[in-house]
Amino acid sequence: DIQMTQSPSTLSASVGDRVTITCRASQSISSWLAWYQQKPGKAPKLLIYKASSLESGVPSRFSGSGSGTEFTLTISSLQPDDFATYYCQQYNSYFTFGPGTKVDIK
Amino acid sequence: QVQLQESGPGLVKPSETLSLTCAVSGYSISSGYYWGWIRQPPGKGLEWIGSIYHSGSTYYNPSLKSRVTISVDTSKNQFSLKLSSVTAADTAVYYCARQYSSGWGLSSLYYFDYWGQGTLVTVSS
Repeated sequence: DIQMTQSPSTLSASVGDRVTITCRASQSISSWLAWYQQKPGKAPKLLIYKASSLESGVPSRFSGSGSGTEFTLTISSLQPDDFATYYCQQYNSYFTFGPGTKVDIK
Repeated sequence: QVQLQESGPGLVKPSETLSLTCAVSGYSISSGYYWGWIRQPPGKGLEWIGSIYHSGSTYYNPSLKSRVTISVDTSKNQFSLKLSSVTAADTAVYYCARQYSSGWGLSSLYYFDYWGQGTLVTVSS
């Protein structure tokens, strides 16, 4: 089984801040990684796939990078709509999600 | 626009079988892609349950495989989940989703690009 970890588990930030979330895999997953945003009571929304490809319609302030076992999601300038929980998901071997990172208001 | 909608009982008794259906609109299941189920216990993270192709080919989470059956009805453009012998640990919001795929086989299954709104299933007597 491939285990996913995320850090931090909670991140407090202000509008306009640059935010970085890290996701680590227990073994190499090449670039087979996606990022999702989830707001309370809503389904997850796909942001990034193949580690760095931006899903259609997602604002360009979101970006992803990394390969192998370490990946990052960056929000270049945090907007009010971005306060949410973010999950990574590997699809190298079956499908597992990270535990999530909650971005809240500082 | 692809839309998915889960339906089924919101309360299931322990040891019984949980049954949910996902109706798809805006896209024909027979046109391709895999179709999956993911769940999220209250306040916790996401867990993939399994995925199905329109041909009936399925992949299941090894940790749930003995209790899960996913089926597809292309005539109704929907797919279904059955989870047997449920316990309180199966209480969760259950989501259906389209799983982007490049072809045939487990290695061609990728991320989930369209999701239903989710339905809460509580296991309790």
